[in-house]
Amino acid sequence: DSGVTQTPKHLITATGQRVTLRCSPRSGDLSVYWYQQSLDQGLQFLIQYYNGEERAKGNILERFSAQQFPDLHSELNLSSLELGDSALYFCASSVAQGGEKLFFGSGTQLSVL
Amino acid sequence: GDSVTQMEGPVTLSEEAFLTINCTYTATGYPSLFWYVQYPGEGLQLLLKATKADDKGSNKGFEATYRKETTSFHLEKGSVQVSDSAVYFCALTRSGGSYIPTFGRGTSLIVHP
Repeated sequence: DSGVTQTPKHLITATGQRVTLRCSPRSGDLSVYWYQQSLDQGLQFLIQYYNGEERAKGNILERFSAQQFPDLHSELNLSSLELGDSALYFCASSVAQGGEKLFFGSGTQLSVL
Repeated sequence: GDSVTQMEGPVTLSEEAFLTINCTYTATGYPSLFWYVQYPGEGLQLLLKATKADDKGSNKGFEATYRKETTSFHLEKGSVQVSDSAVYFCALTRSGGSYIPTFGRGTSLIVHP
């Protein structure tokens, strides 16, 4: 058990809808990272937050947004969903800003039908 | 930009066989190198790391040596077990700049009894 909790584990929705994925980092970790894993793209970095502030942005679509709350949990919002957004979304956390050692949650499997 | 290239999988071996999973990287400076492992239904977890040239990372019988001259970080294990069946990801974090890990696409390992 990595200590990183992601909910829900599975999400099935329709095109055009909006969903929210939730992540609770390990106790004491200030950084949260979001990754998207798909068969054709591999593991793609989306966005990082550190202590409530956005720190780095990767290949995140404009339809996607995220935030980190004062209690350090994070939410990833995906809107106007398309079939191609179907993927496994991982949250990871680390103590510091740097990615020397990431702890991953077990992911949210999103299926857009 | 930074990139990590891993050998295509799946790699299929019999129990007690020798394992090599190739990984090469492109990055400026002196990155830190990592291997993560993803067991079925779980998130990634750090397997081993090396932070400078000629360093050897090791854990659970797995080893990888940071070779700057060949920009490689190949993963090896002398005798694999069925329980080693998983997806293995090579990754790098560049020092002095973005600390966001860049991951390879992953190599699936299947070990048969």
